[in-house]
Amino acid sequence: QVQLQEAGPGLVKPSETLSLTCAVSGASVSDINWWSWVRQPPGKGLEWIGEMHHGGTANYDPSLRSRVTISMDISKNQFSLKMTSVTAADTAVYYCARHVSVPGTRGFDYWGPGTLVTASS
Amino acid sequence: EVVLTQSPGTLSLFPGERATLSCRASQSFKSTYLAWYQQKPGQAPRLLIYGGSSRATGIPDRFSGSGSGTDFTLTISRLEPEDFAVYYCHCQQYGVSPQYTFGQGTKLEI
Repeated sequence: QVQLQEAGPGLVKPSETLSLTCAVSGASVSDINWWSWVRQPPGKGLEWIGEMHHGGTANYDPSLRSRVTISMDISKNQFSLKMTSVTAADTAVYYCARHVSVPGTRGFDYWGPGTLVTASS
Repeated sequence: EVVLTQSPGTLSLFPGERATLSCRASQSFKSTYLAWYQQKPGQAPRLLIYGGSSRATGIPDRFSGSGSGTDFTLTISRLEPEDFAVYYCHCQQYGVSPQYTFGQGTKLEI
C-alpha cells in the first residue's frame, strides 16, 4: 500500500523559509510517477504548488515559482518543499501527492494526510 | 491560464437521489487531463475519477465522470450518506510549462 507522510515545522515566522519533507513508502520516488505538493488555506480550496520527477525536472505554479524549490532524495525515498519569504498568506495545510501513472491521464492518486503550517510571529 | 468554475457552489440533496456536479473550463483542454476528488472535513482529498472518466481504485460505480472540451460533469447516481462532502475538479494545462488548476469546489450537503 502506497503511503505518503508530510513532516516539518508547524510554525514558521514571517519572512523565513518553510521546509517540508514527504516520506514515501510502498512505492519509489524513482518510479515513473511525478510527485506534487498541494496546499489548502484554512476554509478554502486546493492550490497546486509544484511537481517533480526523479529525472530532475520540476515545474511550479507561476505565482509561486520565485519562492519555491522542490527537490528529491532518492536514497531516502522522499521529496521536499522549500518556500522562502513566507507571509500569513502561506498559512495552509500542505499535502504531498503522487500522480497517477497511466499514460495520457492526470490525477493525484495517493495523498499524505497533510500538515498545517502557520506563518506567524 | 485555465480557470475551472464549479457549479453549483452548494448542492442540497437526499440519500438515494442523483447528484450532478458541473466543472466548466475557461478554455478547452484534453478530457483525459481532468480529475475529480472528494474531500471530507479534516481529511486529504480522495481521487474519484482520473483521465476524465476512469474510476480510481476502490471507487464505487455510482460515481461517473464525463464531458469534453470545456464542460465536464461528475455524476453520483444514487447518493449514499457517506457521499456528502466537498468535490473538486482538477486539470493540467500546458503553457510555457505544465501547471495544474483546481476548481473552487462544490459542497454536497443533505
